Amino acid sequence: KAGVTQTPRYLIKTRGQQVTLSCSPISGHRSVSWYQQTPGQGLQFLFEYFSETQRNKGNFPGRFSGRQFSNSRSEMNVSTLELGDSALYLCASSPEMVLARTPEQFFGPGTRLTVL
Amino acid sequence: GIQVEQSPPDLILQEGANSTLRCNFSDSVNNLQWFHQNPWGQLINLFYIPSGTKQNGRLSATTVATERYSLLYISSSQTTDSGVYFCAVERSGDDKIIFGKGTRLHILP
Repeated sequence: KAGVTQTPRYLIKTRGQQVTLSCSPISGHRSVSWYQQTPGQGLQFLFEYFSETQRNKGNFPGRFSGRQFSNSRSEMNVSTLELGDSALYLCASSPEMVLARTPEQFFGPGTRLTVL
Repeated sequence: GIQVEQSPPDLILQEGANSTLRCNFSDSVNNLQWFHQNPWGQLINLFYIPSGTKQNGRLSATTVATERYSLLYISSSQTTDSGVYFCAVERSGDDKIIFGKGTRLHILP
């Protein structure tokens, strides 16, 4: 099985621009979560999507948004970029469970975003 | 919210040494995972271990849920074990996963 893929791997943007990152989960996985990793704040949960619906959202401003498509692929968007948005953005997928979301997460390689 | 504390923050060992990494959490959890992040940023799932003990080769983990801690043991360290080890928990009744700050492990040849 192919792993979680994220595109692009590296991205450079300037303040005020917007950016869209993409994540393709492992085949058969329906849950996709997004995380931001910075040296100062560490790994922080952004949001999770399951069956095209946002299930949970972390403590991030409305400039951070996401969506999930019917094939479980997910995108996250950051509008009006700020310098502090420079980070490694990680996507993780989880397998489908009958009763509850399986908590095991499988991570993609990440997208490193630099905001100048 | 739930607090997740990992210790030590940094660890430098000679190749072949054994190590124990600790994760303390402040509330009941539904699950706990250990991850290794390699120098290229890739997070690898090591263990899903909300309770009990598991072993995978030179690595093993134990979670004592009633006492709110988990331990990751690495035996006969190799240089490829270098990187950051994260503990992540999901609090009971909450669907958000919270990561600790990690333990940065350096294995010297």
